Amino acid sequence: GAVVSQHPSRVICKSGTSVKIECRSLDFQATTMFWYRQFPKQSLMLMATSNEGSKATYEQGVEKDKFLINHASLTLSTLTVTSAHPEDSSFYICSARAPEGTEAFFGQGTRLTVV
Amino acid sequence: AQSVAQPEDQVNVAEGNPLTVKCTYSVSGNPYLFWYVQYPNRGLQFLLKYITGDNLVKGSYGFEAEFNKSQTSFHLKKPSALVSDSALYFCAVRDASSGTYKYIFGTGTRLKVLA
Repeated sequence: GAVVSQHPSRVICKSGTSVKIECRSLDFQATTMFWYRQFPKQSLMLMATSNEGSKATYEQGVEKDKFLINHASLTLSTLTVTSAHPEDSSFYICSARAPEGTEAFFGQGTRLTVV
Repeated sequence: AQSVAQPEDQVNVAEGNPLTVKCTYSVSGNPYLFWYVQYPNRGLQFLLKYITGDNLVKGSYGFEAEFNKSQTSFHLKKPSALVSDSALYFCAVRDASSGTYKYIFGTGTRLKVLA
């Protein structure tokens, strides 16, 4: 099946710094990618939809200036958590939709810890 | 509005016994239905999907699911559970008529297979 690679798998950063998470589709072109946040023992919360070459669409309640999304190519979307705070600590997961398919494939996830 | 319900937070089953993880959904248009599995600190792995056609869908690792339109359900089943099936299972729905590729996830069901 299609492979989506997410990097890094874990990151620890200091409060006030920014962190970039990458999501790559390795063997297909993904016109649309999604970013989710998962709290402990909870479901996935969709943060934003990332479309190649255009601005991301954010879900209600998600701060677009805090969670910057860039989808500059058909194989790469990035999520930058700016001025991170401890409450931003979470598990972030990306997914990509292959153009010819109907299911999304997920990255391995990134555990972000802000200290 | 779209929604997915997984009524059980946890399901316990003895190894070798059949297992069922329940899912019901609500969409205004035609549903595309999915099951994903998540292991600790990992992304989601695709198990199976229902798009159209036969109501009984077979997927990875011996799992199957039955689409029941009248009951708006898509329960995940396996005839004989393995200890290695222990994980977190998510049901998801996409409204095929919506023009987006957004997935709505259920809250997840933790499956524990006891040796």
